[in-house]
Amino acid sequence: EPEVTQTPSHQVTQMGQEVILRCVPISNHLYFYWYRQILGQKVEFLVSFYNNEISEKSEIFDDQFSVERPDGSNFTLKIRSTKLEDSAMYFCASRPGSTYNEQFFGPGTRLTVL
Amino acid sequence: SQQGEEDPQALSIQEGENATMNCSYKTSINNLQWYRQNSGRGLVHLILIRSNEREKHSGRLRVTLDTSKKSSSLLITASRAADTASYFCATVLTGANSKLTFGKGITLSVRP
Repeated sequence: EPEVTQTPSHQVTQMGQEVILRCVPISNHLYFYWYRQILGQKVEFLVSFYNNEISEKSEIFDDQFSVERPDGSNFTLKIRSTKLEDSAMYFCASRPGSTYNEQFFGPGTRLTVL
Repeated sequence: SQQGEEDPQALSIQEGENATMNCSYKTSINNLQWYRQNSGRGLVHLILIRSNEREKHSGRLRVTLDTSKKSSSLLITASRAADTASYFCATVLTGANSKLTFGKGITLSVRP
């Protein structure tokens, strides 16, 4: 069964460093998302991406964040200058066309900023 | 209450018992979804219920939706130890771009 994959599973970085989190969505899906979950808290929406552009972003998704779909398969989240409060689990998700479709989540990348 | 707020926050039951979890939300929704998360793992989609539906079943899961009360419930029948996990309701708002808004989740512990 097709699944969303994410790499790396765990990323440790120093404050101020750039990180790139990678995702491979399910191949025939059209909508792509990033969410994050700070330890012990709820899952929060970051950004949605459709037709090669951002369709919606949250207040969390400031200028330090960017997303890209550089080829037909990868979907990346870049954090330019990481802060301690960026430490969280980052989930990628994708879905087919209709709003009534479920979103399929990847296993997540645990980002630790020291 | 916040959009997608579950109760109780934690639930502990004996294997074989039924588990009922509730979710309330504030604004009009397109659909409501329930997800499960095992400790430290990703989110697994359980069931989606549309705003014009009142009840859905999937295996041992039963979900109800009451749009007049802006609430949903997830019932897991004949629970198993393997059902131990966190459960989240997530809403897709009417007119929204399909993003999911999650509640804080319910921690379910099923004792063998």
